[in-house]
Amino acid sequence: QSVLTQPPSVSAAPGQKVTISCSGSSSNIGNNYVSWYQQLPGTAPKLLIYEDNKRPSGIPDRFSGSKSGTSATLGITGLQTGDEADYYCGTWDSSLSVVIFGGGTKVTVL
Amino acid sequence: QVQLQESGPGLVKPSDTLSLSCTVSGASISSSSYYWGWIRQPPGKGLEWIGSIYHSGNTYYNPSLKSRVTISVDTSKNQFSLNLSSVTAADTAVYYCARIWRDSGWPICLDYWGQGTLVTVSP
Repeated sequence: QSVLTQPPSVSAAPGQKVTISCSGSSSNIGNNYVSWYQQLPGTAPKLLIYEDNKRPSGIPDRFSGSKSGTSATLGITGLQTGDEADYYCGTWDSSLSVVIFGGGTKVTVL
Repeated sequence: QVQLQESGPGLVKPSDTLSLSCTVSGASISSSSYYWGWIRQPPGKGLEWIGSIYHSGNTYYNPSLKSRVTISVDTSKNQFSLNLSSVTAADTAVYYCARIWRDSGWPICLDYWGQGTLVTVSP
């Protein structure tokens, strides 16, 4: 069981919006930056969001990140079939002294 | 363009040592801005951080694997390596190497990943 809790799956129709939550504690999300990763089927994870809400160059603004207290959220607007993937949140845990990841959320475009 | 490439055996026998290398191109492994790390993903499961290394040789390991893990760096070859000893079937996974951006000594995000290599532990 992961230290960071994500819903196993979310789904929506093309063009709609989905949000993915990532719940942690004061030793991780509450006091450290959160990043988000997209893993398309059969490929390596790719950085989507860093420092809670910043997008690397080349990541469309349809992807957004936010954080409040010990929870973080990834939002995807204008959902496309190419967004079908697993999404992971990650952060540093100051108590465990490890990088930790959520269990992953599978996004399905209906 | 930053690229990382894992290499090593795809099949390891139980109780043996798993050894992988990661070759970095397009970036210097001696940069003060990054750690270099290993992450694994068992088939159908989530991501697990194994550990990371700084170019100075300072290492940081997942406590759950610490007794079996060694990560080393070769700055002359722009490579870093993973050794995982006494493997069992539970160590079967896709192993990724990654660049970890650091700030004030803390890991911020994994900004570049290798394509991953499947390592199967089987007799």
